[in-house]
Amino acid sequence: AQSVTQLGSHVSVSEGALVLLRCNYSSSVPPYLFWYVQYPNQGLQLLLKYTTGATLVKGINGFEAEFKKSETSFHLTKPSAHMSDAAEYFCAVSDPDSGGGADGLTFGKGTHLIIQP
Amino acid sequence: EPEVTQTPSHQVTQMGQEVILRCVPISNHLYFYWYRQILGQKVEFLVSFYNNEISEKSEIFDDQFSVERPDGSNFTLKIRSTKLEDSAMYFCASSPAGGSYEQYFGPGTRLTVT
Repeated sequence: AQSVTQLGSHVSVSEGALVLLRCNYSSSVPPYLFWYVQYPNQGLQLLLKYTTGATLVKGINGFEAEFKKSETSFHLTKPSAHMSDAAEYFCAVSDPDSGGGADGLTFGKGTHLIIQP
Repeated sequence: EPEVTQTPSHQVTQMGQEVILRCVPISNHLYFYWYRQILGQKVEFLVSFYNNEISEKSEIFDDQFSVERPDGSNFTLKIRSTKLEDSAMYFCASSPAGGSYEQYFGPGTRLTVT
């Protein structure tokens, strides 16, 4: 069974500072990895994903994440935080070896990102 | 840009009543999903649907839940006899294919069971 751990239910950074949101997974095989963002009263929007190939992936809004197999991690970063980045961020995984391909995603508990002016 | 839509945005029902949550997935997508998020907790997978049948379901998706694609556009989640603990935000998602493809989420329906 897969699981996702997001360290820190709340992360607070100053505007312009580096954003680092941590995600570790537990899986028997390297999974597909996703970061979603949820703004207040909205659905989940994909920021970026890793499936195969280059381990550093770039997403929307200046975010990027690096898949590190040895550390079973997929941390999300952004060099310079903006007030509009304040939201809930979810890391999620799916099993690439499942039959049929209609796997549900396994989500972490989420990290609430707070941007201080 | 195509998007997943869900109705209603908020549903209040009494314990023991049946509710139907509705979703319109993106038109050319083939895979459909329901998730729920109890307040303050993580998003949990309920069920996936492909080729007019359930593809996968979690242990949460017990006999009180059912899904249906009654026509070419709608995808519904029915809860037969609601319980207080069914109160949650329910998200519908769709995907053009399975596996590594992105799942596109709707805005959710907040279900409150009183």
